[in-house]
Amino acid sequence: AQSVTQLDSQVPVFEEAPVELRCNYSSSVSVYLFWYVQYPNQGLQLLLKYLSGSTLVKGINGFEAEFNKSQTSFHLRKPSVHISDTAEYFCAVRLNQGAQKLVFGQGTRLTINP
Amino acid sequence: ETGVTQSPTHLIKTRGQQVTLRCSSQSGHNTVSWYQQALGQGPQFIFQYYREEENGRGNFPPRFSGLQFPNYSSELNVNALELDDSALYLCASSLAGGAPGYGYTFGSGTRLTVV
Repeated sequence: AQSVTQLDSQVPVFEEAPVELRCNYSSSVSVYLFWYVQYPNQGLQLLLKYLSGSTLVKGINGFEAEFNKSQTSFHLRKPSVHISDTAEYFCAVRLNQGAQKLVFGQGTRLTINP
Repeated sequence: ETGVTQSPTHLIKTRGQQVTLRCSSQSGHNTVSWYQQALGQGPQFIFQYYREEENGRGNFPPRFSGLQFPNYSSELNVNALELDDSALYLCASSLAGGAPGYGYTFGSGTRLTVV
């Protein structure tokens, strides 16, 4: 079975500083990888996804992530954060065959301080 | 293009009761998945429906059941509610049986509190 570990439950960052949110996954077969953002009292919004091809994936709101197969990681980065980036971020995987479900990590709360 | 709509937004039920949550999928989407998100946790997959048939299920007991209608809207039913069922329930719709290239569109969820 696959699993996802988000290494930091909370990440405080000053505005305009860079940020990295870490995600490691475990799976015996190939997976697809996703990052979602959840603003307070809202559902999940897709930031970016890795299906195949280039390991550097660019998403919305200036975020990007790099797939590293040897380290089974999919860390999310942004070079300069804004107050509006304050939210909960979830890393998720799904198998590239069989079950259609997304398996989520526990989430990382990103807090941007002025 | 409308997104995913869930109703109600909030609900309070008593332990032992039954509840029905509803989801209208995004226009053109034929697949609906349900997730349970407990406080401070990531969402957990309950089940998925594709063309009105269950297309995968997570580790949830049979008292969690669902339906998908011809218009691709869906219901999640939970019988014999327990305190641990208190959570945000998220519905996600997608195209073509959840093929990854299409992605999932999530609703804002229904916050269920069991007392």
